[in-house]
Amino acid sequence: SQQGEEDPQALSIQEGENATMNCSYKTSINNLQWYRQNSGRGLVHLILIRSNEREKHSGRLRVTLDTSKKSSSLLITASRAADTASYFCATDGNQFYFGTGTSLTVIP
Amino acid sequence: GAVVSQHPSRVICKSGTSVKIECRSLDFQATTMFWYRQFPKKSLMLMATSNEGSKATYEQGVEKDKFLINHASLTLSTLTVTSAHPEDSSFYICSARAGTSISETQYFGPGTRLLVL
Repeated sequence: SQQGEEDPQALSIQEGENATMNCSYKTSINNLQWYRQNSGRGLVHLILIRSNEREKHSGRLRVTLDTSKKSSSLLITASRAADTASYFCATDGNQFYFGTGTSLTVIP
Repeated sequence: GAVVSQHPSRVICKSGTSVKIECRSLDFQATTMFWYRQFPKKSLMLMATSNEGSKATYEQGVEKDKFLINHASLTLSTLTVTSAHPEDSSFYICSARAGTSISETQYFGPGTRLLVL
């Protein structure tokens, strides 16, 4: 069953602004990953954060993980039009399960 | 990063026919491959997990006889949609993982869009 849930479901921002997406999950995890998906395309792995990590950075991306609240956030700083995509979190118990995704639109 | 390919990228078929989708890991050996399905504007749904040389493990609600999965080598897994019907129309995505550890990164293929008429 699916257990990751992202919010908001849709987000529209101006280029240059920061975008924050959240993910909540239900059971214990080993790690959590964020992916992006351009319309009609496959997934691209963005970042993995392990359960014993609290924050991780990769370029303009910052991911936080709060295992006590069973939640994670993805921050994209200085957004660009090319960041327009759907973003999914995925958690693993025995398998990876994806959330419903946040659709981000960055307006030039 | 690692590359996973899928073929075909798009397929249109008549109702009742079978369609085979290939998933290949191009630059690493994939011990484990996953098959996902995505409905329009929905999240990915894990269909099954396959480990090389063994039978696939299907998620609840996924018909084994409908979606045949074969992982005969460390670089190739196939998904065959048998006797396809319009409700099988969807976006199918595979992913591959080098090891069996769930902490390893999955690499995703570009997806196959299936349209059943």
